[in-house]
Amino acid sequence: SYVVTQPPSVSVAPRKTATISCEANNIGSTRVHWYQQKPGQAPVLVVFDNSDRPSGIPARFSGSNSGNTASLTISRVEAGDEADYYCQVWNVDSDHVVFGGGTKLTVL
Amino acid sequence: QVQLVQSGAEVKKPGASVKVSCKAYGYTFIAYYVHWVRQAPGQGLEWMGMINPSGGSTNYAQKFQGRVTITRDTSTNTVYMDLRSLRSEDTAFYFCARGDSGYNSQWLDYWAQGTLVSVSS
Repeated sequence: SYVVTQPPSVSVAPRKTATISCEANNIGSTRVHWYQQKPGQAPVLVVFDNSDRPSGIPARFSGSNSGNTASLTISRVEAGDEADYYCQVWNVDSDHVVFGGGTKLTVL
Repeated sequence: QVQLVQSGAEVKKPGASVKVSCKAYGYTFIAYYVHWVRQAPGQGLEWMGMINPSGGSTNYAQKFQGRVTITRDTSTNTVYMDLRSLRSEDTAFYFCARGDSGYNSQWLDYWAQGTLVSVSS
C-alpha cells in the first residue's frame, strides 16, 4: 500500500512562514491535496491538485510538489491557522484515497 | 450551496451494526462520488470507502472489506454507510465528503459535520 509521511508537529511564530511536508516515494508524479482541521470541526480543503486553492481560501496558503516531497506553505501565519493539517493522495492502482498521518501546527 | 448533512450520534454495543446517513444538497447528486472517512478520538483521518451515486459502484479500503457497505438512494440524494460487527475500536467520528476529480486524482471538497459512533458494552 502507498504510505505517506508527515511530521507530527510544526511550530511557527506569528507572521512567519510555516512549511508542512508530505513525503512518499515519487510523490511528485501524483497530485497532492491538503486539508485543515480545527478541534471539533470537519476538515476543510485548503489546497488541491498540488497548488490550487478553493474559493475562499486565502492566498497565504500555497502548495508545491516535486520528487519525493510535497509541501504546504502558510505565509504570514496567524493564530487562527493553528490546526491539524493532512495531505492526501489518490492511489491510481487501487482507486483509493490515502491520507498522511497529519501535522499539528502550533502558533507560538 | 453545496451541503452534506449526516444523521445524529449513535451508541452501540459490541457486535451490533450502525447505519449512518449523508444527505446531499445544492448540487447534482449523481455527478460526484461520495466518500466516507473516520477519525478515532485524538487520531488521524482514515479513508473507509466511496460510492459512485450514478451507478452505485463502490470501492472499499481493504481494512473494512466485508464489514462495511455503502449504498445510495437517488430519490432522496442520500448515501448510507453500514458498518457491522462493531467493536470498541470503531468508536470514532464518521464523516461523509463529496469527491471532486481531475486528471488521475480525487479530492474531498465538501464535508459533512460528522457523526459520533460510540461502541461500548
